[in-house]
Amino acid sequence: EAGVAQSPRYKIIEKRQSVAFWCNPISGHATLYWYQQILGQGPKLLIQFQNNGVVDDSQLPKDRFSAERLKGVDSTLKIQPAKLEDSAVYLCASSIPFSRAYGYTFGSGTRLTVV
Amino acid sequence: RKEVEQDPGPFNVPEGATVAFNCTYSNSASQSFFWYRQDCRKEPKLLMSVYSSGNEDGRFTAQLNRASQYISLLIRDSKLSDSATYLCVVNPQGSSNTGKLIFGQGTTLQVKP
Repeated sequence: EAGVAQSPRYKIIEKRQSVAFWCNPISGHATLYWYQQILGQGPKLLIQFQNNGVVDDSQLPKDRFSAERLKGVDSTLKIQPAKLEDSAVYLCASSIPFSRAYGYTFGSGTRLTVV
Repeated sequence: RKEVEQDPGPFNVPEGATVAFNCTYSNSASQSFFWYRQDCRKEPKLLMSVYSSGNEDGRFTAQLNRASQYISLLIRDSKLSDSATYLCVVNPQGSSNTGKLIFGQGTTLQVKP
């Protein structure tokens, strides 16, 4: 079974620029999550989708971050404009739906550096 | 107070040692608990789920104390390959389980020859 695919792996941008990340979940997984992991911290949930609907976006900085999941499959996360504090690894995960026994599997992440 | 708290360490232990990590959580309605392992510059990976009765997987033993809202991970006979960051993870929802996971900041383990 193919895992969660993310791209790009790395991105360096200047502050105030825009950036977009892409995630392709495991086939058939209805639930998709975007997490932000700042160096030295654990991952923090930004947004959760169930199919193409948003379940939880309470911690998404909506003034600069946006996310969509068209057709309930792939998802993109965008930052516009980026700030220095957005430097982090952005992790995507998926599940069908959440398993109390197995949690869920993360993609390898996109490492963003804002300079 | 953080929702999930861990001692960040680092824990530096010799090969063969037994090491224990502790974690506390604030939401008493939490239903699911996990330990994830994260290697340097890699994504977190599920190490084991934690059940009320306690569970063991080889050299790893996880315990849950709901009354004290406390989770532990014991690693016996440490190997060099156990060097990583161990993340305590809690699913805070009760019956309306949406899968949101709350991660602790992680405890770093370094096993030395």
